[in-house]
Amino acid sequence: NAGVMQNPRHLVRRRGQEARLRCSPMKGHSHVYWYRQLPEEGLKFMVYLQKENIIDESGMPKERFSAEFPKEGPSILRIQQVVRGDSAAYFCASSRGLGNTEAFFGQGTRLTVV
Amino acid sequence: KQEVTQIPAALSVPEGENLVLNCSFTDSAIYNLQWFRQDPGKGLTSLLLIQSSQREQTSGRLNASLDKSSGRSTLYIAASQPGDSATYLCAAFLQGGSEKLVFGKGTKLTVNP
Repeated sequence: NAGVMQNPRHLVRRRGQEARLRCSPMKGHSHVYWYRQLPEEGLKFMVYLQKENIIDESGMPKERFSAEFPKEGPSILRIQQVVRGDSAAYFCASSRGLGNTEAFFGQGTRLTVV
Repeated sequence: KQEVTQIPAALSVPEGENLVLNCSFTDSAIYNLQWFRQDPGKGLTSLLLIQSSQREQTSGRLNASLDKSSGRSTLYIAASQPGDSATYLCAAFLQGGSEKLVFGKGTKLTVNP
């Protein structure tokens, strides 16, 4: 089992460009969570998805950010028109769901906006 | 709103010392509580998972306890080693509605040789 795979590991974007972050959950996991970690801060919840459904996006900024988890393929976190304040580490986690199972995290994507 | 607090924010100990990291949460409606380790610039490694019906879990030199009624969990590290130096994160998995992990800000541990 390859674990939760995130790519790219590092991403540099100029202000105004789009950033696409990918997350492939562990085999057998149908629940995906995205978190953002700013320097010297804790992990902040962004969005919780199941296959083809957004369950909770209460942590997502209202504009420029979107997420999807299609029936086939990885989950995508998309940030349009990036700004310097978007620079952070973005982590994806997956679980089997039901809330009583362990969540496993990927290595993260470190986004730098220049 | 669930809030998770970790004390202390940073801890420096000599090698070989036993130590305790504290975590408190405000809402007892949780499925489980997880302890993670994060090394600088790296992802999160799951250390221990305690289900809400359990009182403690052990893995090697690590022991985690959970007291749901008081909203507290502790991570005990025995015979600390320099390789234990990392940030330790506690996260509560919320019940009901949207299930998600809510994290504390972590305890940065340094074990000095």
